Amino acid sequence: AQSVTQLGSHVSVSEGALVLLRCNYSSSVPPYLFWYVQYPNQGLQLLLKYTSAATLVKGINGFEAEFKKSETSFHLTKPSAHMSDAAEYFCGFSSGNTPLVFGKGTRLSVIA
Amino acid sequence: DTGVSQNPRHKITKRGQNVTFRCDPISEHNRLYWYRQTLGQGPEFLTYFQNEAQLEKSRLLSDRFSAERPKGSFSTLEIQRTEQGDSAMYLCASSLTLGNGELFFGEGSRLTVL
Repeated sequence: AQSVTQLGSHVSVSEGALVLLRCNYSSSVPPYLFWYVQYPNQGLQLLLKYTSAATLVKGINGFEAEFKKSETSFHLTKPSAHMSDAAEYFCGFSSGNTPLVFGKGTRLSVIA
Repeated sequence: DTGVSQNPRHKITKRGQNVTFRCDPISEHNRLYWYRQTLGQGPEFLTYFQNEAQLEKSRLLSDRFSAERPKGSFSTLEIQRTEQGDSAMYLCASSLTLGNGELFFGEGSRLTVL
């Protein structure tokens, strides 16, 4: 069965520090992987996506993620956290023709 | 270009009442999805349509839930005889059929069952 696991339900970083949010997937087929961000009482916005092209994917707001097949991972990073990055982040998986399956999410807090 | 539109944004109802949510997808998207999200959880897939055909339903979609997309455009999600456990955010998303799985989400409809 295809699944996504996000390690850490809550991550807290200082403003200006590195952000690292972890995502691992399980799949028997080549994956399409996504990171979405959700602000309070809003829908999900796409940050970035991996669709079998470059393994290092750059997204909006300075975020990027690297697809590592050997580690079945797709971790999200940002070199320097801003206060505005505080939100809930979801990793998602699809085989391309199946509905997205999401992880449980990681809440990012940024401390001034 | 308008995105995915959902209404109402908020609904408060008493247990046992019926509620209906509407979703208008991005106009050129022929796939439409419904997800449910409870506090502290990721979105959970409920069902999806390709045009007017309902292609898949999750086990989460009990017989009190029904979704339709009669003309392949907007969709409705009806919950009959609501229970307190139905309180959640109901998210609608749309996509192209031959896309890479990327979904475009609406703002969601929050249901509170008293």
